[in-house]
Parts: sequence; structure tokens; C-alpha cells
Amino acid sequence: GAVVSQHPSWVICKSGTSVKIECRSLDFQATTMFWYRQFPKQSLMLMATSNEGSKATYEQGVEKDKFLINHASLTLSTLTVTSAHPEDSSFYICSASLAGARKGNEQFFGPGTRLTVL
Amino acid sequence: SQQGEEDPQALSIQEGENATMNCSYKTSINNLQWYRQNSGRGLVHLILIRSNEREKHSGRLRVTLDTSKKSSSLLITASRAADTASYFCAPLGAGGTSYGKLTFGQGTILTVHP
Repeated sequence: GAVVSQHPSWVICKSGTSVKIECRSLDFQATTMFWYRQFPKQSLMLMATSNEGSKATYEQGVEKDKFLINHASLTLSTLTVTSAHPEDSSFYICSASLAGARKGNEQFFGPGTRLTVL
Repeated sequence: SQQGEEDPQALSIQEGENATMNCSYKTSINNLQWYRQNSGRGLVHLILIRSNEREKHSGRLRVTLDTSKKSSSLLITASRAADTASYFCAPLGAGGTSYGKLTFGQGTILTVHP
């Protein structure tokens, strides 16, 4: 149980285009999903916290107009990188936290999406 | 920042040996979690230890937590080549701007030689 999927696994796009990444909790409901970015040989940096049915909370330094987050249901959150540039190339990882009594406990991570912007 | 900081940054051992990684953090926590990441892959949750626990075991893993020193350690016993990965600790903040958030350190890169 507690499986999180991401789609796509990897994507290559041209500079200036937009890319949407999906994060799904497959067998549980997640009121909260998190989006992280990881550059090569570096740690995961939290980008934003996404709560179902409300606006995402962005970490300092993350442009909310560039990284659009939608959390329309308890099992799906999407991250759209708008007008992507080569410096946005990174590994994007989402995680989901269980709803209800176990809220605030372990987060379950997706397998990540490798974005390369040419 | 609640960021967990791992030590050492890199650890190289032979198969069968034990591996110990340490983690320090700065403020109050709800719990502390350890994750493993194989190169280019997502994170795998290893173990969660709550702030009122001092030690926890899971298979070959042993985690300790000392809230007075704001530190934790992960011990992998009888290591295997398949344990080669990066290991991250992630404190879950208990209050303020860190509430409910995991913050990751740079991790410890563990290499287990067959």
C-alpha cells in the first residue's frame, strides 16, 4: 500500500514550452502533497505544499507563477513548469501524506520526473 | 531552518561491515524519518522514529534519537552491496514555519564494496 506514481518519468522539451507533471496516490487519499526539486548530487529542496481544494503554499524563492500547482482531488496533484528554461532542468519529486488520523506522519514519495529543457 | 544534516558525507565499507550515519537538526520535531535514494531514483522510506522514542529497529536497520542533543543515527548491520545508495534524514518540524514539513540534508553517500 501507499504507492505514489508520477507521470511522465522523464521529459525533454524545448525552451519556452510548458510541461505538466502528474503525481497520483494510487491506493490512499492524500490531503497534502509536496513537490520537491533535486539538482544533481544535491539534496531535495521543498518547492511547495499542496492541499486538496486550496492554493499551494510556496517556499521562499520559488516563483508561483512559474511553477503552477493544482491539487484538484485527494489523489492527484499536478505541477506545471511554465515557459521552461534550461536552468529548470532538474529531477522533480512529489510526495503524499496520508489523510485523517495519520496526517503529519511519513510521506510517500513518487519515483520522480527527470526534466531536461533544451 | 529545520534541515537535517548528515555526517559523514560519504562512507565506503566492505560487504558484511556495519555502516553508521549520523544526523543533527536544529529545532523541535514531531518525528524524524530516514530515507534511501538510489542514483536517479525516488526516495524510499526506511524508518520513522517519533520524538518520544529513543530507539527503533527494522530488519537490519537500527535508528536512535536523542532529542536533548538534537541528533539521530542510522545503523545498517551486515551491509550488502545492494545497500549502496544515498541516505537522508528528514526531521518533521513540530511548530512554526517548519510545521508538517520534511527538510532534507545533503545526505550520506554509502558505497558497499562486494
